[in-house]
Amino acid sequence: EVHLLESGGNLVQPGGSLRLSCAVSGFTFSSYGMSWVRQAPGKGLEWVSAISGSGGSTYYADSVKGRFTISRDNSKNTLYLQMNSLRVEDTAVYYCAKPGVPDGDYWWFVEWGPGTLVTVSS
Amino acid sequence: IVLTQSPATLSLSPGERATLSCRASQSVTRYLVWYQQRPGQAPRLLIYDASNRATGIPARFSGSGSGTDFTLTISSLEPEDFAVYYCQHRSSWPLTFGGGTKVEIK
Repeated sequence: EVHLLESGGNLVQPGGSLRLSCAVSGFTFSSYGMSWVRQAPGKGLEWVSAISGSGGSTYYADSVKGRFTISRDNSKNTLYLQMNSLRVEDTAVYYCAKPGVPDGDYWWFVEWGPGTLVTVSS
Repeated sequence: IVLTQSPATLSLSPGERATLSCRASQSVTRYLVWYQQRPGQAPRLLIYDASNRATGIPARFSGSGSGTDFTLTISSLEPEDFAVYYCQHRSSWPLTFGGGTKVEIK
C-alpha cells in the first residue's frame, strides 16, 4: 500500500526558511516523478513544484520560482521542499502528491499525503 | 494556462444531475484532470485525460471535452458527492488548477 507523509510544517516569520519532507513507502520511489501542491486556508489548490524520478528535471510555479527548491533522496525514499524568503501568502497546507504512472509526462495525482501546515506570520 | 471553472457553486438535491465546467485559456488537447475534495481531506483523483475514470471511481462520474472546454458530469448525486471539484491540466509547465466548483445540498 502506498503511503505519503509530509512533515516540517511550522510557524515561521516572513523572510524565514523552512524545509518540508515527504516520506514515502509502498512503491519504487525512484521510478516516479513527485510533486508538491498547496492550499491556502479556505482557498483552492495551487500546484507548486515537481521533480522527475531521477531528480534531473525540476519545475516550479512562477509564484515560488527562485525561492523554493524541490529535491529528492531516492536512497531515503524522501521528497523535500526547501522554502526560502517566505511570504505571508505562502501560508498553506502543503501536500506531496504522486502520479499514477511511472516517470513520464503523466502528471495526474493518484496518491496524496495528509498535508503539513506552513504558517508565515510575524 | 488559466483554468476557469463554473459555476463557483452548484446547489442541487440528491439524485439530481450535476454538470461542472472547466475552460482553459488555450488548448490543453485532452490533458485535463478532475479531482474531488471533501472537507478536511486531501484531493481524490476522479478523471484523467478528460474522460478516463480513475481506479475505483463510480460510473456516475464521467468526463468529456477536448481543446479548451471540458465537462465533469455526475449523473445522479449521492450524499457523499457534495464536495468541491477541481480541474487541472498537464499540457505544459507550469501545471495549474482551476478555482473549484462547490457542489452543495439544496
